[in-house]
Amino acid sequence: AQSVTQPDIHITVSEGASLELRCNYSYGATPYLFWYVQSPGQGLQLLLKYFSGDTLVQGIKGFEAEFKRSQSSFNLRKPSVHWSDAAEYFCAVGAWAGKSTFGDGTTLTVKP
Amino acid sequence: EAGVTQSPTHLIKTRGQQATLRCSPISGHTSVYWYQQALGLGLQFLLWYDEGEERNRGNFPPRFSGRQFPNYSSELNVNALELEDSALYLCASSWSTTRGISYNEQFFGPGTRLTVL
Repeated sequence: AQSVTQPDIHITVSEGASLELRCNYSYGATPYLFWYVQSPGQGLQLLLKYFSGDTLVQGIKGFEAEFKRSQSSFNLRKPSVHWSDAAEYFCAVGAWAGKSTFGDGTTLTVKP
Repeated sequence: EAGVTQSPTHLIKTRGQQATLRCSPISGHTSVYWYQQALGLGLQFLLWYDEGEERNRGNFPPRFSGRQFPNYSSELNVNALELEDSALYLCASSWSTTRGISYNEQFFGPGTRLTVL
């Protein structure tokens, strides 16, 4: 069965600092991987996705993620965080038979 | 292009009642997915509809049901509401699938906040 682990429940960074959110997955074949962001009271917005090819994926809002098959990881990074990046971030493996599996999320707080 | 829309935004019910939640997918999308996001439990897959048929369901009791209409909009029904059904219900849509297998990117609506008193 597929699963996703986001080890960090909550992360606090200062505005302008770099960010890395961790994601580890378990999947029997080549995974399809996604990162979503959710602002309070809102739905999920796709930041980036990995299907195949280049293992470094660029997304919206200056985010990128790197797929590392040997480590079963798909960590999300941003070189300089803005206050508007404060939100909850979800990593997902999807979606055989529609059943995407999401991690429990990491809440990002940005200090001024 | 309009995104996924959900109605109502908020819904308050009492235990034992029925709730109906609605979702309109992005134009051209034929797959609709429902998720439950309860406090402290993350996103849990509920149902997947594609081209009018239920393709898969998550580990939820039968009182959670739904349907997809010919225009690909969808309805989620929750019968005999329980307190623990209080959650944000998210709908997502995607392009058509192949052979019932969906790897497609899902676009999410803003959700319906269901509160059961």
